[in-house]
Amino acid sequence: AQKITQTQPGMFVQEKEAVTLDCTYDTSDQSYGLFWYKQPSSGEMIFLIYQGSYDEQNATEGRYSLNFQKARKSANLVISASQLGDSAMYFCAMREGPRSGGFKTIFGAGTRLFVKA
Amino acid sequence: GAVVSQHPSWVICKSGTSVKIECRSLDFQATTMFWYRQFPKQSLMLMATSNEGSKATYEQGVEKDKFLINHASLTLSTLTVTSAHPEDSSFYICSARDPGQGDTQYFGPGTRLTVL
Repeated sequence: AQKITQTQPGMFVQEKEAVTLDCTYDTSDQSYGLFWYKQPSSGEMIFLIYQGSYDEQNATEGRYSLNFQKARKSANLVISASQLGDSAMYFCAMREGPRSGGFKTIFGAGTRLFVKA
Repeated sequence: GAVVSQHPSWVICKSGTSVKIECRSLDFQATTMFWYRQFPKQSLMLMATSNEGSKATYEQGVEKDKFLINHASLTLSTLTVTSAHPEDSSFYICSARDPGQGDTQYFGPGTRLTVL
């Protein structure tokens, strides 16, 4: 069963506007971590933001914020004031606890973001 | 932040040969490293978890005899693709877990393997 679901294969956003990339997850663990990574065409995985399952506040890192809705098991990424350099592939990922996941991080299918000038 | 390196960054080999890819954590000791493969326009698929000093744990469907993993030290894990075939051509990415940084996982830059 798929544990990380990203339903948007591709997204377009106008430069300087905000965009939300969707991510839902499935786990029976109480303790887990959620991540977002950016992968430009070079292939490197760039860490953007992290949300722990026990964190009550939504994580924010500069222009990135994570809209964490635990009851809905969603962890959407919001990018504010989009820039042309934001065009890339974005992956949502989850690291489960030792009981069910053994600290493994698994990835969603990804969303390709295109920022238009 | 912490750095993970991979070597080589790209490699082209003939079918039937073996290729070794190295993953190093440069400024921290990684008791656990992970190996992923990524096909074009697809997500990262976890292949195996590499624990220093013990056997790697392979994900379902990954042939352990074909993808040999060795984690001989706290800063080095190697992935050897044995008897490579064209279908093994892929982007291989390693990551290392830094227990001193809240188990943050750092990714290497990846190795692009092309088997002719």
